[in-house]
Amino acid sequence: AQTVTQSQPEMSVQEAETVTLSCTYDTSESDYYLFWYKQPPSRQMILVIRQEAYKQQNATENRFSVNFQKAAKSFSLKISDSQLGDAAMYFCAYRINTGTASKLTFGTGTRLQVTL
Amino acid sequence: GAVVSQHPSWVICKSGTSVKIECRSLDFQATTMFWYRQFPKQSLMLMATSNEGSKATYEQGVEKDKFLINHASLTLSTLTVTSAHPEDSSFYICSPPPAGTSSYNEQFFGPGTRLTVL
Repeated sequence: AQTVTQSQPEMSVQEAETVTLSCTYDTSESDYYLFWYKQPPSRQMILVIRQEAYKQQNATENRFSVNFQKAAKSFSLKISDSQLGDAAMYFCAYRINTGTASKLTFGTGTRLQVTL
Repeated sequence: GAVVSQHPSWVICKSGTSVKIECRSLDFQATTMFWYRQFPKQSLMLMATSNEGSKATYEQGVEKDKFLINHASLTLSTLTVTSAHPEDSSFYICSPPPAGTSSYNEQFFGPGTRLTVL
């Protein structure tokens, strides 16, 4: 069974600073996708960034980037120039590439606080 | 992106009663819908997958008779919590699979329904 682990229940970062959220996963598959979702206080799930496992290049989306280490099964999220609006729960998620009906497996989440 | 609505957004009920949660896809047709449960300060756990025109698929450990899932049409999936008890209090989220044929496509989520059982 696939598992996703986020070892940091809570993190704090000062506004304008950089923070890295950790995620590791366990799988025997070689073709899969990884995602980071954000859940703000409204509890609406929002996709932040995604990575295809067969691509070595790390994905970036504006202030968000990932460090994908396939051999180590690690998928960390870096948030640069942190903003107050980045405060939320962040979930790492994994999906096998077996079609769109394959399920997302979520990690336990990291609560990010952004301070002034 | 796909627009998904849920109704109600928050419901309080007495122990022993049943509660129905509706999930509607507003701008697309969904033959499948994922239902997740999220306890306070915890992650999303997949409960079941509804399928239009056939029975839902439940995850291991989820009681089929307690959580009735129906996919009545291509735009409506419902979750009914039968004989609700305080331990069923949770946040329930529906989510259609990604559009198209790629698992890489974005999966959208409904805004969730907070259920409180007294």
